[in-house]
Amino acid sequence: DGGITQSPKYLFRKEGQNVTLSCEQNLNHDAMYWYRQDPGQGLRLIYYSQIVNDFQKGDIAEGYSVSREKKESFPLTVTSAQKNPTAFYLCASGSRQGTEAFFGQGTRLTVV
Amino acid sequence: AQSVTQLGSHVSVSEGALVLLRCNYSSSVPPYLFWYVQYPNQGLQLLLKYTSAATLVKGINGFEAEFKKSETSFHLTKPSAHMSDAAEYFCAVKRGGNKLTFGTGTQLKVEL
Repeated sequence: DGGITQSPKYLFRKEGQNVTLSCEQNLNHDAMYWYRQDPGQGLRLIYYSQIVNDFQKGDIAEGYSVSREKKESFPLTVTSAQKNPTAFYLCASGSRQGTEAFFGQGTRLTVV
Repeated sequence: AQSVTQLGSHVSVSEGALVLLRCNYSSSVPPYLFWYVQYPNQGLQLLLKYTSAATLVKGINGFEAEFKKSETSFHLTKPSAHMSDAAEYFCAVKRGGNKLTFGTGTQLKVEL
């Protein structure tokens, strides 16, 4: 089935460690996005990529990094510089011709 | 800049009653508007979208929304609530590419 796969679903890390969240899509979409969700704040855009080997900062990029080496993959690294990393992270993708974004099932990151 | 405001972070209805979730938008250009639904620890699923065609938009699971330019509103309705409708609902507006700006969400509770 076509879709977006995020892994793992739950992730626990110690404070000060970098962690990478995986996002893979087989929808042949050019664009991919990372959002962060916190209770009562909706979703906020971290990074996005419109094409392979190119990506742009979103609204809250500090403390995060991404890469886009393949069309299907858009991993997100949460670095130790991110002051409050515990959150639910959602990956999305979309086509250039389409109007909506399609979402993965999310990764819940807890930093202790 | 485009933005959306969802009025009411929590809405409670009885099973079989009308569901009304409110969303107002701010946009300097004709907006593309979306309603997404999220079940606990899941990703977002598109309910419906407005892309400047018909002002009354029908979506999945019996939901619909009406675009009212004079009121800058895009409220989500369903004539008869079902227990399975209990979830969090997000209104969103498109901004450049497929990037979305989300509202803060409305948690819908359905009571017997």
